[in-house]
Amino acid sequence: AQKVTQAQTEISVVEKEDVTLDCVYETRDTTYYLFWYKQPPSGELVFLIRRNSFDEQNEISGRYSWNFQKSTSSFNFTITASQVVDSAVYFCALATSYNTDKLIFGTGTRLQVFP
Amino acid sequence: DGGITQSPKYLFRKEGQNVTLSCEQNLNHDAMYWYRQDPGQGLRLIYYSQIVNDFQKGDIAEGYSVSREKKESFPLTVTSAQKNPTAFYLCASSINAVYGYTFGSGTRLTVV
Repeated sequence: AQKVTQAQTEISVVEKEDVTLDCVYETRDTTYYLFWYKQPPSGELVFLIRRNSFDEQNEISGRYSWNFQKSTSSFNFTITASQVVDSAVYFCALATSYNTDKLIFGTGTRLQVFP
Repeated sequence: DGGITQSPKYLFRKEGQNVTLSCEQNLNHDAMYWYRQDPGQGLRLIYYSQIVNDFQKGDIAEGYSVSREKKESFPLTVTSAQKNPTAFYLCASSINAVYGYTFGSGTRLTVV
């Protein structure tokens, strides 16, 4: 079975703090893809990153970074020096080569960044 | 510009009435999806379609119906059988799930 767990329901930080959002996945497939999406208050989900199971290199994009560790089945997302505009719900998702018809989403983590 | 359009953004209906939510994409994506999101909750899959004239039930299909007569369009009808229809509805499309989804901006449905 495939599953994505985002254990943190809600996180509150003060601006300029670093924050890490956790994502743990389960799959028996050796080929799979992991995603992060951002849902700002406006409602539309915005794609942030896609990572395949063969690429364990960490990725950095500006203040965003992602740590992919197959040994712990985790794909964590860190925001450095958080800003109020980072306030949103963040979803982690999984697709596998065996089940290509839909993404498996986690339940989301609501991040509130206070000024 | 290519994208996925949901309309209307806000929709109000009286209890007992059927209502249809529109979703159109010009990305040439084969797959389309409908999700429901309740306040403070995650995404729940209602229906999805991989090709024209074919669709599958998701986790919460009861009280909803869909059609896929054209590749570009995947309308969702919320029927009177849906007991709690007030929610935020998101449509998405994809070449294939392994490439991720493109989402629409959503329709907020309120039934009074």
